[in-house]
Amino acid sequence: QLVQSGPEVKKPGASVKVSCKTSGYIFASFGLSWVRQAPGQGLEWMAWINGYNGNTSFAQKVRGRVIMTTDTSTNTAYMELRSLRSDDTAVYYCARARASYPYYFDYWGQGTLVTISS
Amino acid sequence: DIQMTQSPSSLSASVGDRVAISCRASQNIYSYLNWYQQKPGKAPELLISAASSLQSGVPSRFSGSGSGTDFTLTISSLQPEDFATYYCQQSSGTPAWTFGQGTKVEIK
Repeated sequence: QLVQSGPEVKKPGASVKVSCKTSGYIFASFGLSWVRQAPGQGLEWMAWINGYNGNTSFAQKVRGRVIMTTDTSTNTAYMELRSLRSDDTAVYYCARARASYPYYFDYWGQGTLVTISS
Repeated sequence: DIQMTQSPSSLSASVGDRVAISCRASQNIYSYLNWYQQKPGKAPELLISAASSLQSGVPSRFSGSGSGTDFTLTISSLQPEDFATYYCQQSSGTPAWTFGQGTKVEIK
């Protein structure tokens, strides 16, 4: 199970931190990705973190603005997005990812709506 | 980045119809292609991984095929609960994954 933090409203230029608390599996045996969906739009993969060694990978569009961290004591992952812009308004999902080929997202959080508004 | 192109963007079909959705990759992704179903207001759900491997609990009317750059999701007999948006996603290479733009399946 993946349970995300609640909705956020932020101003342009601010930062937001979304959490994803996992349970029911060995956190270090899987990776975790963040996927976002702007209103009425498709899915956009953002980032991935290896639950075992903390290695990360980012989509070019958000590279440099996203920080992913994990707290292995609570099996929780965090995604912080900085320098927010209006086009960052979206529902942000965390999704469990296999740690090796073939990669896929088999469990998803419920989504967190982040609204950027002045 | 690898680009994924789905076709059609939307389709109208009736219950019982056979439906096929195409997904094309901008370069060879071998069989590293997954399919998801998303209903309004809900998180996506994994249907098929590695091009053709049906996930546990997914009805057998769903099937996937293809390799290299061309892939297809087929629903053999469309059911009322299948009206949704479907996304392909490539998982080739180091984690730098991309989704197709989605195909919305609507009731005719």
